[in-house]
Amino acid sequence: GENVEQHPSTLSVQEGDSAVIKCTYSDSASNYFPWYKQELGKRPQLIIDIRSNVGEKKDQRIAVTLNKTAKHFSLHITETQPEDSAVYFCAAATSGGYNKLIFGAGTRLAVHP
Amino acid sequence: KAGVTQTPRYLIKTRGQQVTLSCSPISGHRSVSWYQQTPGQGLQFLFEYFSETQRNKGNFPGRFSGRQFSNSRSEMNVSTLELGDSALYLCASSLQEPNEKLFFGSGTQLSVL
Repeated sequence: GENVEQHPSTLSVQEGDSAVIKCTYSDSASNYFPWYKQELGKRPQLIIDIRSNVGEKKDQRIAVTLNKTAKHFSLHITETQPEDSAVYFCAAATSGGYNKLIFGAGTRLAVHP
Repeated sequence: KAGVTQTPRYLIKTRGQQVTLSCSPISGHRSVSWYQQTPGQGLQFLFEYFSETQRNKGNFPGRFSGRQFSNSRSEMNVSTLELGDSALYLCASSLQEPNEKLFFGSGTQLSVL
């Protein structure tokens, strides 16, 4: 069935380092891949998304890459800051759309000063 | 623009009871989705509504139901509550096209005792 695997489950970095989170999806017809950041006790917030017709997208310190052949996509955060500490979720839109997202299990990122 | 609004913020119920949660989408958004978030299962898709019609449904028992009104506001109902229904229930709204950006509300934290 539809599935998104996310790794690692926890990630600890020093301030200023880079962080990379990887996701693999099962449905080859998936065509939309958003990333959400959820701080403790708050709502998930969209930080970046990519569609299947694009291989890479950047927004300041955040970038996402997509490899459709391998069915995986990654989030890259450069020059990490303590305020980047949160749980990050990747997701994939299943074939047929209709705004149904399949989420990965999440990565808890801790950025230490 | 106001964000997605969910009420109530917290609910405590006992097994066997039923509960109704409410969601008001961002103005102009006609698609409303519901997700269940638990520490063990992550974010799981419940259902999505557009123009008062359920377009897609996740793998949840029939005790979980929803509806959407003509003003795009949505409600979800859970009947015969079980302990395992304790979770954060998140509503998300988006524009009408499939695979558009989802904007989440702060959620309703349901505790079943």
